[in-house]
Amino acid sequence: ILNVEQSPQSLHVQEGDSTNFTCSFPSSNFYALHWYRWETAKSPEALFVMTLNGDEKKKGRISATLNTKEGYSYLYIKGSQPEDSATYLCAYQDNYGQNFVFGPGTRLSVLP
Amino acid sequence: DTGVSQDPRHKITKRGQNVTFRCDPISEHNRLYWYRQTLGQGPEFLTYFQNEAQLEKSRLLSDRFSAERPKGSFSTLEIQRTEQGDSAMYLCASSFSRLGTGELFFGEGSRLTVL
Repeated sequence: ILNVEQSPQSLHVQEGDSTNFTCSFPSSNFYALHWYRWETAKSPEALFVMTLNGDEKKKGRISATLNTKEGYSYLYIKGSQPEDSATYLCAYQDNYGQNFVFGPGTRLSVLP
Repeated sequence: DTGVSQDPRHKITKRGQNVTFRCDPISEHNRLYWYRQTLGQGPEFLTYFQNEAQLEKSRLLSDRFSAERPKGSFSTLEIQRTEQGDSAMYLCASSFSRLGTGELFFGEGSRLTVL
């Protein structure tokens, strides 16, 4: 059974703070790692997909890194804003590349 | 709106009743996924279609659950003889990918409450 873990489970930060979360996944049979943002009452939206060890992706104030050898990915948010409040999900694909195994998510609340 | 749509958005039913959810994926997407999400958990895989073929089913999917995707277009997820433990958000997602890393596009989900 594939196990994808995320930490912390929840996080409260002040507006302007920078923060980061961790996703850990099986290092064997790795194919891709995805990050999604899920705002309340909306559908999850893709942030990044990463496939290569050492990959770094950036979108505005949000960036992500990938270490496939040790099986972890970090998501960073610089200068958090209230609109960043959401659940951040990571999803692992093995090298069959079909199914996505999601972690439990990190719930971020950014306080104004 | 050309995104993934799900219907109904909310369903309240009594234990023992059957319920059916519908998902309309993005039209050019060949893959369609069903997930279940409960409080405090991430989406849990239920089943997956490539075109009209159901290629994988979770071991968690009991024989009370069935999914179809006739003609490779919309999909339905039916739960027979619902139980209180079936209460959850049922998410549908679609993607287009020949190589497997295509991102998922999610619907807003169908929330089921079994009384």
